[in-house]
Amino acid sequence: KAGVTQTPRYLIKTRGQQVTLSCSPISGHRSVSWYQQTPGQGLQFLFEYFSETQRNKGNFPGRFSGRQFSNSRSEMNVSTLELGDSALYLCASSPTLESTDTQYFGPGTRLTVL
Amino acid sequence: AQSVTQLGSHVSVSEGALVLLRCNYSSSVPPYLFWYVQYPNQGLQLLLKYTTGATLVKGINGFEAEFKKSETSFHLTKPSAHMSDAAEYFCAVSGRGSYIPTFGRGTSLIVHP
Repeated sequence: KAGVTQTPRYLIKTRGQQVTLSCSPISGHRSVSWYQQTPGQGLQFLFEYFSETQRNKGNFPGRFSGRQFSNSRSEMNVSTLELGDSALYLCASSPTLESTDTQYFGPGTRLTVL
Repeated sequence: AQSVTQLGSHVSVSEGALVLLRCNYSSSVPPYLFWYVQYPNQGLQLLLKYTTGATLVKGINGFEAEFKKSETSFHLTKPSAHMSDAAEYFCAVSGRGSYIPTFGRGTSLIVHP
């Protein structure tokens, strides 16, 4: 079974631009979560989608948004990029919303904002 | 509310020595606990998890962890370190009604030959 895939793997953008990242979950998984990982803040939860609905959201500004499609693929968008948005963005999928579920992570998208 | 504290941002051991990575948690509900490993330029991979039942949990690559409720701890151990164990390790907690896991800041394991 294929793992979680994220595209692109690397991105370089300039301040003020916007960016869209894509995540394809493991087949059959309906929950997709997004995390931002930085050396200073560690792993921070962005949001989670289940059945095309945002179920939970972390403490990030409205510039960060996402969506989920009927095939469970998810995208996240960051508008008006800032230097501090440079990070590794990780996507994770799980079968359901159960607390005991294991989250399976993709390799991440490394975003650099210049 | 839940939180995770990983003691020591870096742990250095010699190859063949015992590995001990510390994790303490705080949770207002019965916790579910996870250890993940991250190799450079990769995502996180689950090593092991505790949900219910036996408090000593065995995972992949020879790692194990013991849930100690009285100490609110879930330390990760491995009897003998290999060079390939060098990576970043993350402890995480979730709980009934709070299925979004909270991650610790991570511990970088360095293995010397």
